[in-house]
Amino acid sequence: GQSLEQPSEVTAVEGAIVQINCTYQTSGFYGLSWYQQHDGGAPTFLSYNALDGLEETGRFSSFLSRSDSYGYLLLQELQMKDSASYFCALQTDSWGKLQFGAGTQVVVTP
Amino acid sequence: DTGVSQDPRHKITKRGQNVTFRCDPISEHNRLYWYRQTLGQGPEFLTYFQNEAQLEKSRLLSDRFSAERPKGSFSTLEIQRTEQGDSAMYLCASSLVHMESNTEAFFGQGTRLTVV
Repeated sequence: GQSLEQPSEVTAVEGAIVQINCTYQTSGFYGLSWYQQHDGGAPTFLSYNALDGLEETGRFSSFLSRSDSYGYLLLQELQMKDSASYFCALQTDSWGKLQFGAGTQVVVTP
Repeated sequence: DTGVSQDPRHKITKRGQNVTFRCDPISEHNRLYWYRQTLGQGPEFLTYFQNEAQLEKSRLLSDRFSAERPKGSFSTLEIQRTEQGDSAMYLCASSLVHMESNTEAFFGQGTRLTVV
């Protein structure tokens, strides 16, 4: 089977840097995605890693190491609007099926 | 096109009743997915479509759940004989997939089902 582990909550102050780790167990996957979800809102795509290494998109970066079964999302220059839940998700087939972790709630304080 | 839309946004039903949800994907998207999300959890895969063909249905889903995507456009998700355990947010997503590239999924706001 497949499973993903991520911390349940992270708290940081505005302007800080936060790293959300995601470890997984799987027999195979196509890539690791990250989604953001505000309370009551729809999940929105942030980043995708098909290969090992770092992907940078503005203030957000994502990293994947297949050999370590590990990835992370890095949020830089935290803003209040970044307070949300963040999900890592394995793309488990070529059709785009996603298996999500339980999510990490990021709380940004002034 | 303003994105993926779902209807209704909220549904309260009595146990044992049937409910049907509708999802209108982004018009040019060929893939459509249904997920279910409960409080404090990530979305859980239910089923997905490539155009009008249903590719897979989660083994976690009972036979009370059925989904269709006639003509490869909108999709419906029906739950028969609802149970309290069906209470959740039902999310629809769509994507435009090329080969095995990044499949960025665009999610709708969801339908929140409460079974009383």
